[in-house]
Amino acid sequence: EAGVAQSPRYKIIEKRQSVAFWCNPISGHATLYWYQQILGQGPKLLIQFQNNGVVDDSQLPKDRFSAERLKGVDSTLKIQPAKLEDSAVYLCASTGGRGTDTQYFGPGTRLTVL
Amino acid sequence: LAKTTQPISMDSYEGQEVNITCSHNNIATNDYITWYQQFPSQGPRFIIQGYKTKVTNEVASLFIPADRKSSTLSLPRVSLSDTAVYYCLVGGLRTGGFKTIFGAGTRLFVKA
Repeated sequence: EAGVAQSPRYKIIEKRQSVAFWCNPISGHATLYWYQQILGQGPKLLIQFQNNGVVDDSQLPKDRFSAERLKGVDSTLKIQPAKLEDSAVYLCASTGGRGTDTQYFGPGTRLTVL
Repeated sequence: LAKTTQPISMDSYEGQEVNITCSHNNIATNDYITWYQQFPSQGPRFIIQGYKTKVTNEVASLFIPADRKSSTLSLPRVSLSDTAVYYCLVGGLRTGGFKTIFGAGTRLFVKA
């Protein structure tokens, strides 16, 4: 079974530029999560999708971050414009959507904003 | 969702048993306790999950007392490769699906 795929693995941009990350979850997984992990901290949930609908985006900075999962499969997370404090690893995870499903994480995208 | 509290860091030696305790005083009746492991430059990886009493799998045991306000992850005979960050999560079904919150984690350093 293929795992959660993410790309790119690394990205360096200057502040005020835009950037997009891509995630392809495990086949058949209905629930998809995007997390932000700042160095030395635990992952912080940005947005949770159930199929192609958003079920939790309470911690997503909506003035600069956006995410979509148009066909209920893969997803993109965008930052526009980026700030220095957005430097972090962006993790994507997926689950089957059942009651106690564990989350399967991708390798993450390390973003550096200069 | 209940917040969790766990030690910031722990040191151990190869071959020893390591116990990491997590407190979650406000755990909801239907919530589960899940532990993840994270190595540098990788995403977290599921270790074990439980609801009450004791759960054991091939890599760890999870002990949960009757009041469920805490839990202990037990790693038998650790090796250098067990050096990682360990996260304790409490979560359950909410509107929209299964929800959990990551805390700061416990950094375990295993020495030779």
